Amino acid sequence: DGGITQSPKYLFRKEGQNVTLSCEQNLNHDAMYWYRQDPGQGLRLIYYSQIVNDFQKGDIAEGYSVSREKKESFPLTVTSAQKNPTAFYLCASSISRTENTEAFFGQGTRLTVV
Amino acid sequence: GQSLEQPSEVTAVEGAIVQINCTYQTSGFYGLSWYQQHDGGAPTFLSYNALDGLEETGRFSSFLSRSDSYGYLLLQELQMKDSASYFCAGCNTGRRALTFGSGTRLQVQP
Repeated sequence: DGGITQSPKYLFRKEGQNVTLSCEQNLNHDAMYWYRQDPGQGLRLIYYSQIVNDFQKGDIAEGYSVSREKKESFPLTVTSAQKNPTAFYLCASSISRTENTEAFFGQGTRLTVV
Repeated sequence: GQSLEQPSEVTAVEGAIVQINCTYQTSGFYGLSWYQQHDGGAPTFLSYNALDGLEETGRFSSFLSRSDSYGYLLLQELQMKDSASYFCAGCNTGRRALTFGSGTRLQVQP
């Protein structure tokens, strides 16, 4: 079955460590996105990519980095520069980079700093 | 800039009809989407309005008025399983990525 897979589901990180969240899709979608969600709040855009080897910053890119070396993969690294990384991270993809009509989401990674 | 405003919480009873409003401020707007998210889960797509007017999908309908920068999601024949958070979202020509509202938490009571 086609879909988006995020791993791990739960992740614990010590302060000062970098961690990488995985996002893989087999939907053959051009565009991929990373969002952060804090309790009781909406989704805020971290980074997005419309094509391979290209990506743009969203509203809260500071302390995060991404790569898009393959169409199906869009990993997110949470660096030690991110001061408050504890949150629910959602990866999404959509079929078209010209008109964003429907985004498909992974099940998310819940990151906790300990 | 882009911003979408929604009420934070709505309560309704089973079998009733509820409307969740969304007002937005963005330029070069493509359209308005709606997503549902149950606690701890992933958002799932409900509907998309590219043009003004009403779109109906089963018990859910969505409306858009570009001249008023306003849309709403209408849920009919409410069921307990409809208890969730609902987000409006849009994107514009300047940035082809969805911007989400802060979400409306719907509580359906027996």
